[in-house]
Amino acid sequence: DIQMTQSPSSLSASVGDRVTITCRASESISNYLNWYQQKPGKAPHLLISTTTTLHTGVPSRFSGSGLGTDFTLTITDLQPDDFATYFCQQSFSKPDTFGQGTRLEIK
Amino acid sequence: EEQLLESGGTLVRPGGSLRLSCAASRFTFSSYAMNWVRQAPGKGLEWVSTISGSGTTTYYADSVKGRFTISRDNPKKTLYLQMNSLRAEDTAVYYCAQSVAVAGSWFDPWGQGTLVTVSS
Repeated sequence: DIQMTQSPSSLSASVGDRVTITCRASESISNYLNWYQQKPGKAPHLLISTTTTLHTGVPSRFSGSGLGTDFTLTITDLQPDDFATYFCQQSFSKPDTFGQGTRLEIK
Repeated sequence: EEQLLESGGTLVRPGGSLRLSCAASRFTFSSYAMNWVRQAPGKGLEWVSTISGSGTTTYYADSVKGRFTISRDNPKKTLYLQMNSLRAEDTAVYYCAQSVAVAGSWFDPWGQGTLVTVSS
């Protein structure tokens, strides 16, 4: 199975900050990397698919990059609504696997 | 937009069985693969199973293989997860999620989840 390692596991930031979350795959997954946001008590929802494609309605302050084994999710100009947990997921091969999550908290 | 609504989660004893359902609203339900993803309390996300739009192809996580069965009824626009020989470690919120293909895709949208608790 492909292991997905996210870092950091938690992050404190302030409104207006720029933050970067990284996700590393244990082997190359090309660009088959997706990002999800989850708020407490809610289902995850898709932010970015295939590394760089913003889902409908996702603000342009979110962006993704990477290829192969190393990927990043960047959020610029953090807004109060962005404080949540973020997960990466590889869909290159079954079983689909997720990173352990990054909890983004307000400083 | 597609809406998914899970049901069937409850408290069940170890070794017991349970069937989860996920009702979809989209007319073209059969055009999409469907998935189950679970989240144990306070933990991360774990993919459980995937079924193709036609229902002819299925995949399972090793942790549930041989115990869980995914199926779908396309005319009823409903996805199922039959869960047998349940264990304490199966305790989780179970989400159904749609994908455009069985592989190389993404999960969107997700249902609101249904809680399965396995405990004596």
